[in-house]
Amino acid sequence: SQQGEEDPQALSIQEGENATMNCSYKTSINNLQWYRQNSGRGLVHLILIRSNEREKHSGRLRVTLDTSKKSSSLLITASRAADTASYFCATDPSGSARQLTFGSGTQLTVLP
Amino acid sequence: DGGITQSPKYLFRKEGQNVTLSCEQNLNHDAMYWYRQDPGQGLRLIYYSQIVNDFQKGDIAEGYSVSREKKESFPLTVTSAQKNPTAFYLCASSMDRDPSNYGYTFGSGTRLTVV
Repeated sequence: SQQGEEDPQALSIQEGENATMNCSYKTSINNLQWYRQNSGRGLVHLILIRSNEREKHSGRLRVTLDTSKKSSSLLITASRAADTASYFCATDPSGSARQLTFGSGTQLTVLP
Repeated sequence: DGGITQSPKYLFRKEGQNVTLSCEQNLNHDAMYWYRQDPGQGLRLIYYSQIVNDFQKGDIAEGYSVSREKKESFPLTVTSAQKNPTAFYLCASSMDRDPSNYGYTFGSGTRLTVV
């Protein structure tokens, strides 16, 4: 079952602009994670934010979490063509059988 | 370097044939997972294992089987009972039995096509 849903499904921006992707989920969680997937490749873990955190930074990435709205956002600042990929949020619903559930992803295209 | 190795990268299956996808990790991770990804969609969990000789069904286990005889290895067999097996298969591992603590490390995937 899908716990997270990303929005938008696809996003196209110019190099240097910021990209914002959103994730909504349905049940309470312990943590939320963001992953990146280049075409035809496996996913790469980007950042983890715990349920008691509201914001986290890692390089050009900024993640926010609003547990009252059951939503998270991923901001990529000063985007580069190499940021072109699909981005997924993953959650671990509290009381789950210890596995992550993934949303359907946002396809980001950064135009040079 | 430590990581997860999936093989083969591409696999072609004839109707009615069983095929096995390999997943090996040298990260000393306890837990391993198999996900299926269809075009433009997210990942769906097939099976997972948190300890050797034990595994659990995920959301779409029908038509698949797994084994976990060694900590390093978690092969997935796609049986003839799986009616629509064409997809991208991803194997992942987690340092902890609870992936919420550290997340997953993924392999590079196997693309299975029925011919």
